[in-house]
Amino acid sequence: SQWGEENLQALSIQEGEDVTMNCSYKTYTTVVHWYRQDSGRGPALIILIRSNEREKRSGRLRATLDTSSQSSSLSITAAQCEDTAVYFCATDLGGGSNYKLTFGKGTLLTVTP
Amino acid sequence: AQTIHQWPVAEIKAVGSPLSLGCTIKGKSSPNLYWYWQATGGTLQQLFYSITVGQVESVVQLNLSASRPKDDQFILSTEKLLLSHSGFYLCAWSRGVYAEQFFGPGTRLTVL
Repeated sequence: SQWGEENLQALSIQEGEDVTMNCSYKTYTTVVHWYRQDSGRGPALIILIRSNEREKRSGRLRATLDTSSQSSSLSITAAQCEDTAVYFCATDLGGGSNYKLTFGKGTLLTVTP
Repeated sequence: AQTIHQWPVAEIKAVGSPLSLGCTIKGKSSPNLYWYWQATGGTLQQLFYSITVGQVESVVQLNLSASRPKDDQFILSTEKLLLSHSGFYLCAWSRGVYAEQFFGPGTRLTVL
């Protein structure tokens, strides 16, 4: 899972497989962002899940949020080669007007034919 | 539609030289603006944010400074580059707090 001092994690799967990436965060958060970054480009949001939501879906993507364990997950169903990218979770520090976003270490997902 | 433009696309600079990177957002008035730094193979570190013209908040100290001279413009600069400044600099904007952030294409900086 992302966070702490570990480096970028790497996951390699075959096309058609399902995959889940995990993210744990250190303090209360209002929202968890999941971003995807393709090589050499800026990240793009794929799912944003708020603290009052337990699950959110978008196409083949599913994000969950467990505020009691301070963790979130991103699942991809039937992965395709074009899902190959680095995936980051990001959280705010919760409460008040907080513009600081903290990113996890990221997971490099490689989907092979 | 909103667009975000960063310049330059890439820079190769000498240690100790000055730096200025720019970011412009078109199609959105009064956006919240952010600067991020990303080491090769690393995560994103938020550097600065700004919610209004002329006001910039620092998130981490990396011997860099930022300014917002216009509503749609965000500038990142330093007078003396360090080797550790090498990396990928990303500008982003959002509509408000806790909202999705939209990232620009980034500037690749190499300090030699």
